[in-house]
Parts: sequence; structure tokens; C-alpha cells
Amino acid sequence: AQSVTQPDIHITVSEGASLELRCNYSYGATPYLFWYVQSPGQGLQLLLKYFSGDTLVQGIKGFEAEFKRSQSSFNLRKPSVHWSDAAEYFCAVGAAGGYQKVTFGTGTKLQVIP
Amino acid sequence: KAGVTQTPRYLIKTRGQQVTLSCSPISGHRSVSWYQQTPGQGLQFLFEYFSETQRNKGNFPGRFSGRQFSNSRSEMNVSTLELGDSALYLCASSPKTGGAIDTQYFGPGTRLTVL
Repeated sequence: AQSVTQPDIHITVSEGASLELRCNYSYGATPYLFWYVQSPGQGLQLLLKYFSGDTLVQGIKGFEAEFKRSQSSFNLRKPSVHWSDAAEYFCAVGAAGGYQKVTFGTGTKLQVIP
Repeated sequence: KAGVTQTPRYLIKTRGQQVTLSCSPISGHRSVSWYQQTPGQGLQFLFEYFSETQRNKGNFPGRFSGRQFSNSRSEMNVSTLELGDSALYLCASSPKTGGAIDTQYFGPGTRLTVL
């Protein structure tokens, strides 16, 4: 069974600083990986996804993530954080085989200070 | 294109009652998945429907059930509500155009409170 670990429950960064959110996954085959963002009281919005190909993936809102198979990681990065990025971020891994079963990490809550 | 819609957005029930939540996927999307989100357990997969068939199911008791209609709209039902069922229930749809996993688009959720 697949699993996802987001080791940081809460992160605080200053506006304009760089950001890296960690994600480690466990899955026996090639994973399908996602990062979602959730603002308070809202559903989840897809930031980016990795299915195959280039291991550096660009997403919306200036986010990118790098798939590193050797480290089983899919860390999310942003070079300069904006106050509007404050939200909760979820990493997720999907199982292959035609079934839409996605396992989510426990989330990292990002606080942005001026 | 309209996004995923969920109704109602908020619901208050008492223990022992049952509840039905509704989800309308993005037009043309055939797969609908349901998730339960709680502060303690995070996001947990409930089940997925594709072309009116349940294709996958998470580890939830039989009190949780769902169905999908021919227009891809989906409902989930929780019977004999317990306090622990209080959660945000999220619905997600995907195009499911091929055999591989597909990107999911989430609705805003239904906030269920059980008293």
C-alpha cells in the first residue's frame, strides 16, 4: 500500500523568503505524485503533478517540485513566498492500475509573516 | 466550465440520524471520489465511482455508502451517525480518460457536524 509522509506539521516563513515543503512517499512502482493547497474553509486546489518524464515539475502560482526517486521524495519549492500563500499544503500519491485511489499526507500548514 | 459542486455546504445532525450528501462533478467527468477530512486523521479516501460502479473503497464501516447516477452525479450516505463522523466531506471528480490515474478536481466540501 502506498503512503505519504509530510514531516513538517507547521512552517513559518517571512514574506519574500524561499520555501521548501518536504514530502516522502512509499510506493512499490512508479508513483503518481501531487501537491494540493487548501485555504481555510475551501476544497483542495491542484498545484502540480508528476506522472512521468521531467523530474522537475512546474505548477501554478510559481510553485515547482522535484521528483527524486533515490530519495523517495517530492519536495515543493517556491523562490519567494507571498502572504497569499498562507494555507495548508498536501502531498499525495496515487496508485497505478486504473483506480483513482489517492493517499494524502497529513498536510503542512504554512504561515507567512510580514 | 463550472467546477465541482457539493450540497449542502453545511449540515448539522444528531447521533443516530442518517445523512445524504450530494456531488455534481465537472461536466464530462466520469469518476467521482469521496474523502473525509478531520483534524486528527487528515484526508481519508472513502470510495470512488466510475460509470455508476464503485471501483475502489477505503477502510470505512458499512454505514458509509455511496452511489453514482447515469449523469455522473454522486451521493454519499452515512447511516446511524456517530459523533466521530463530524468532518469535512470532500468530493473530487476526474475525466478518467484513460486507464491510468487522473488529476482530481475538488469541490468546496460539505461540513457535517454531529451533535
